[in-house]
Amino acid sequence: DAGVIQSPRHEVTEMGQEVTLRCKPISGHDYLFWYRQTMMRGLELLIYFNNNVPIDDSGMPEDRFSAKMPNASFSTLKIQPSEPRDSAVYFCASSSRLAGASDTQYFGPGTRLTVL
Amino acid sequence: TQLLEQSPQFLSIQEGENLTVYCNSSSVFSSLQWYRQEPGEGPVLLVTVVTGGEVKKLKRLTFQFGDARKDSSLHITAAQPGDTGLYLCAGGNNNAGNMLTFGGGTRLMVKP
Repeated sequence: DAGVIQSPRHEVTEMGQEVTLRCKPISGHDYLFWYRQTMMRGLELLIYFNNNVPIDDSGMPEDRFSAKMPNASFSTLKIQPSEPRDSAVYFCASSSRLAGASDTQYFGPGTRLTVL
Repeated sequence: TQLLEQSPQFLSIQEGENLTVYCNSSSVFSSLQWYRQEPGEGPVLLVTVVTGGEVKKLKRLTFQFGDARKDSSLHITAAQPGDTGLYLCAGGNNNAGNMLTFGGGTRLMVKP
């Protein structure tokens, strides 16, 4: 398996622009998580899905952030409009709750976002 | 809200030294996981402990889950430059699906 795939790996944009981050979870995993990581705040959970349904979005900073999971193999995190304080590394992770599986989360390589 | 506090936040040591990283909470967790993250990559699981008092060893790394399942420690013997990275503990709760609560991390640098 290729693991969790994220794109793009790096994104540089200007304040006010729309940014879309993409994630393909590991095939067969029924949980998908979006995190944001900064030096100041560490790893923060933004939102997570179970079977494509958003379960907890209490970590989403504000209405400028939205996430979708239209099917089991694809999710997006959108920021509109973007602001400099959104600059961070955004990680997607997936896990499985199937019988016998642990709650180990498998992380993608991350998207480094810079908003100028 | 369940919180996990890690200490120390930063640690810089010489190759060959021993070190211990701590992960503490006032909450009980069903499981405790340790991840290591290297620059430019996502965190990768090192170990999962699920039983109070459990000790697991992974080569030079020893992980312990507290008896009350509220805390954990990671001990590295004879650290090597390859151990450099960010160490994250994460608590799991059977009532929260597969969601994990992550600690703030310990950034370790091992100098040759």
